[in-house]
Amino acid sequence: KQEVTQIPAALSVPEGENLVLNCSFTDSAIYNLQWFRQDPGKGLTSLLLIQSSQREQTSGRLNASLDKSSGRSTLYIAASQPGDSATYLCAVRPQWNFNKFYFGSGTKLNVKP
Amino acid sequence: EAGVVQSPRYKIIEKKQPVAFWCNPISGHNTLYWYRQNLGQGPELLIRYENEEAVDDSQLPKDRFSAERLKGVDSTLKIQPAELGDSAVYLCASSADLSLGNEQFFGPGTRLTVL
Repeated sequence: KQEVTQIPAALSVPEGENLVLNCSFTDSAIYNLQWFRQDPGKGLTSLLLIQSSQREQTSGRLNASLDKSSGRSTLYIAASQPGDSATYLCAVRPQWNFNKFYFGSGTKLNVKP
Repeated sequence: EAGVVQSPRYKIIEKKQPVAFWCNPISGHNTLYWYRQNLGQGPELLIRYENEEAVDDSQLPKDRFSAERLKGVDSTLKIQPAELGDSAVYLCASSADLSLGNEQFFGPGTRLTVL
């Protein structure tokens, strides 16, 4: 079974800082990996999707990287803003069952003005 | 384009009562998921539909939970009777052809409180 871990569970930074969120997974045979954002009381919003053949994806101030051999993905947020405050979750789809998503518990980010 | 729609957004019931949640996926998405998310945790899959067919319900507590997806569009998740431990957020998601690596899109969820 695929296990997904996100560290730290919570992070507080001042506005303007660059930051990195981590996601690790136990089985490197993945189909793809997706990063989501969840605001309080809301559903999940997709941020970036990285296919197994890709090393990174970028969208605006966000950059996600994937290193399958080490079972890791990072989400880099440049020049953080208070509006980035939310919980960030990663989800992995394994090759042996690409219809199933395994989620981490998330990192709760607080960006202070 | 409308996203995944869920109702109700909030539900408070007493234990042993029944409850039902409704989901309307994005138009054209043949795959529909129901997840349960406990506080401080990531979503856990309850059931996945491909069109009308439930293809993965291994995590669905079948003694009290049931689901249906008539005509391969809308879906309903039911709990009867509800227990205190069922308090959670129930999320619905949909996706186009997964074999093409398509993303999941989530609805806002239904927050269930069982008293």
